[in-house]
Amino acid sequence: KQEVTQIPAALSVPEGENLVLNCSFTDSAIYNLQWFRQDPGKGLTSLLLIQSSQREQTSGRLNASLDKSSGRSTLYIAASQPGDSATYLCAARMNRDDKIIFGKGTRLHILP
Amino acid sequence: EAQVTQNPRYLITVTGKKLTVTCSQNMNHEYMSWYRQDPGLGLRQIYYSMNVEVTDKGDVPEGYKVSRKEKRNFPLILESPSPNQTSLYFCASSLTGGYGYTFGSGTRLTVV
Repeated sequence: KQEVTQIPAALSVPEGENLVLNCSFTDSAIYNLQWFRQDPGKGLTSLLLIQSSQREQTSGRLNASLDKSSGRSTLYIAASQPGDSATYLCAARMNRDDKIIFGKGTRLHILP
Repeated sequence: EAQVTQNPRYLITVTGKKLTVTCSQNMNHEYMSWYRQDPGLGLRQIYYSMNVEVTDKGDVPEGYKVSRKEKRNFPLILESPSPNQTSLYFCASSLTGGYGYTFGSGTRLTVV
């Protein structure tokens, strides 16, 4: 059974720093991996989607990578800003038409 | 604007009083799903639907019902709500074929 883990559960960094959020999954046979952002009490906003055939995706200051062989994905945030403070969740999809399995998220706090 | 719309956003009800949370998407997505989010437990899938008239149980279906009579709508029904169904609920949709998910803004339900 696929398990998706995000460590650490919470992270505080000063504004301006580059940072990396980690996501690991136990079954490397994933179809794709998606990163979301969630603000407190709000819905999930999709940030990046990486298909299994891709190694990375970029959007603005965000870059997500995927290494299936090691069961890892990372979300890189460049030049962090206070507005980046949120919970970041990763989710793995196992098959073309299957559900996605979420990690429990990393709560990120950017210190002004 | 492409979106998933849930209503209501907030709901307080009493034990045993039937309720329905509506979900509608305007993206012609085949796949729709309901999740609940609880502290420490993350996002757990309740029910999903691959297309009209096709629904299936997720990880935590007990106490919930769904229907998919039209492609755009996927209501979540609690026939006899109980306090342990107090949670933050999300509806999500996607095209089939491994595309990314789009989430609604969430419904915060309190059962007293």
